[in-house]
Amino acid sequence: LAKTTQPISMDSYEGQEVNITCSHNNIATNDYITWYQQFPSQGPRFIIQGYKTKVTNEVASLFIPADRKSSTLSLPRVSLSDTAVYYCLVDGYSTLTFGKGTMLLVSP
Amino acid sequence: SAVISQKPSRDICQRGTSLTIQCQVDSQVTMMFWYRQQPGQSLTLIATANQGSEATYESGFVIDKFPISRPNLTFSTLTVSNMSPEDSSIYLCSVSQGILGNQPQHFGDGTRLSIL
Repeated sequence: LAKTTQPISMDSYEGQEVNITCSHNNIATNDYITWYQQFPSQGPRFIIQGYKTKVTNEVASLFIPADRKSSTLSLPRVSLSDTAVYYCLVDGYSTLTFGKGTMLLVSP
Repeated sequence: SAVISQKPSRDICQRGTSLTIQCQVDSQVTMMFWYRQQPGQSLTLIATANQGSEATYESGFVIDKFPISRPNLTFSTLTVSNMSPEDSSIYLCSVSQGILGNQPQHFGDGTRLSIL
């Protein structure tokens, strides 16, 4: 089973770039890496997904090294509304395993 | 992405009773899942709801306690049976168009359940 490890919390200021790293040492060949954002009283919301190398969309980038044992979610120029919990998920033939999540607090 | 509607959004129940949570999707989806999330905690997968067959349960979850139905590709129910205060939690439905993890999940906003 692919277990994920993330920092419990991170602090940042508006306008800064934030990088959140997730470790998944036992990731399987068929597993994908997906990141979600969750606000209080809401379900998680999909941010970005990747298998290897780098993926970028309009809100974030995802960096995955060649060994795929970790991944880094990069949020450019965060705002107050980015304050949320961010989850890393390893998903594939192995069990769907959510990490404990990283609470990101963005301050003015 | 698919729009997921969960009902009820919250409920307060007496111990020993059962509650059925509904998950309705606005389009046909391949996969439907049910999760539990304790306040301030991460998500734990309860089961995968299989269309036309018995759900696939994760370790620690059993059909007698959490019966699941999925009669078609847009609807599923989760029943929490014989509830106790330990079942107080948020229950979330998610859907995906993929079967190998190469499609992201999309979540409903959950059902907040409190057991007295």
